[in-house]
Amino acid sequence: DAKTTQPPSMDCAEGRAANLPCNHSTISGNEYVYWYRQIHSQGPQYIIHGLKNNETNEMASLIITEDRKSSTLILPHATLRDTAVYYCIVRVGGKTSYDKVIFGPGTSLSVIP
Amino acid sequence: SAVISQKPSRDICQRGTSLTIQCQVDSQVTMMFWYRQQPGQSLTLIATANQGSEATYESGFVIDKFPISRPNLTFSTLTVSNMSPEDSSIYLCSLGQGAEAFFGQGTRLTVV
Repeated sequence: DAKTTQPPSMDCAEGRAANLPCNHSTISGNEYVYWYRQIHSQGPQYIIHGLKNNETNEMASLIITEDRKSSTLILPHATLRDTAVYYCIVRVGGKTSYDKVIFGPGTSLSVIP
Repeated sequence: SAVISQKPSRDICQRGTSLTIQCQVDSQVTMMFWYRQQPGQSLTLIATANQGSEATYESGFVIDKFPISRPNLTFSTLTVSNMSPEDSSIYLCSLGQGAEAFFGQGTRLTVV
């Protein structure tokens, strides 16, 4: 799997947008960008994934640059419950294939009241 | 989404003993995975367990230490053998379904 680089920690004020960056300069053409998060003492939770188009769901938005070498996860209105470690992962994905998930160190996001 | 039940949720074990962790899924899945999360660290993949074949271990993990069973498409076990305090971690099972990965809540193991 391609490596990703994320800042080790970030703070965000409650109610503001949290923008979490990720660099994946060696991503291959068939690899997707996935985001997971792990709230303390829980198993990781899937957030969103994308190939090259921007994606949005009820949890977050994913913005992928045109060259696909970086992306940003956006939590539009961060709450205290969004405090977690966020993992950016690139892997072969899509609905017809499955590849193991290899975690990096992630970004520890603290939402501050 | 799949529901994963992992047992036990936590345990305290004596060094030199073994613990078997169970992972039950509410649907049939081809691929299951076992991870270890040491205190303050990210998740590390131990092995991939496919039904009907031997597990595939990642670098640094061996079958003698972490034997895995996968008797059917809804169940898997991970055994942590001959435990030492360094094995104190959270162990998580995971499965792949479609494009997503789902994770159990983990087993918090403390070796004393």
